[in-house]
Amino acid sequence: GAVVSQHPSRVICKSGTSVKIECRSLDFQATTMFWYRQFPKKSLMLMATSNEGSKATYEQGVEKDKFLINHASLTLSTLTVTSAHPEDSSFYICSARVPGSPNEQFFGPGTRLTVL
Amino acid sequence: DAKTTQPPSMDCAEGRAANLPCNHSTISGNEYVYWYRQIHSQGPQYIIHGLKNNETNEMASLIITEDRKSSTLILPHATLRDTAVYYCIVRVVDSGYALNFGKGTSLLVTP
Repeated sequence: GAVVSQHPSRVICKSGTSVKIECRSLDFQATTMFWYRQFPKKSLMLMATSNEGSKATYEQGVEKDKFLINHASLTLSTLTVTSAHPEDSSFYICSARVPGSPNEQFFGPGTRLTVL
Repeated sequence: DAKTTQPPSMDCAEGRAANLPCNHSTISGNEYVYWYRQIHSQGPQYIIHGLKNNETNEMASLIITEDRKSSTLILPHATLRDTAVYYCIVRVVDSGYALNFGKGTSLLVTP
């Protein structure tokens, strides 16, 4: 099946710094990728939909200026958490849509962000 | 997407069948039932999906009631590695929209 990777798998940063998370589709082209956030013992919450070559669509309550999403190629989407604060500490997961596949979306392994 | 209701948690002995229920009484005629699972600190993994017929693959079986208002995911011989949160999601296939995860069922497989 299709493989989605994320990098880094784990990152610790100081408050006020920016962190970039990469999401790659390794063996297929993904015109649409999704970014989710998951707090401890909670379910996945959709943050934004990323379409290659266009601006991302953010869910209500997600600050687009804080969570910058770039989908410049068919195999790479990036999420940059700007001026990170401890409350941004979370598990960030991306997924890629494979049109026509019975498996709606393929998920990356996730990135654990800890902001000190 | 139609709303789903799942029990928050279930236990299962290793080697026994795990039967995870899901209610989706408002499901529409063109909506499929999807099951995903998430092992701790990993991304979700697709298990199976179906429209109205029962489905089986190498991971699990999906039993959908005739009125399609509920379904059951069956793991025939649960192992410790099946401990995870299982999500039942109802949606139109290939809609292009993101998956909407509810709270799921936390399945604990015990030795």
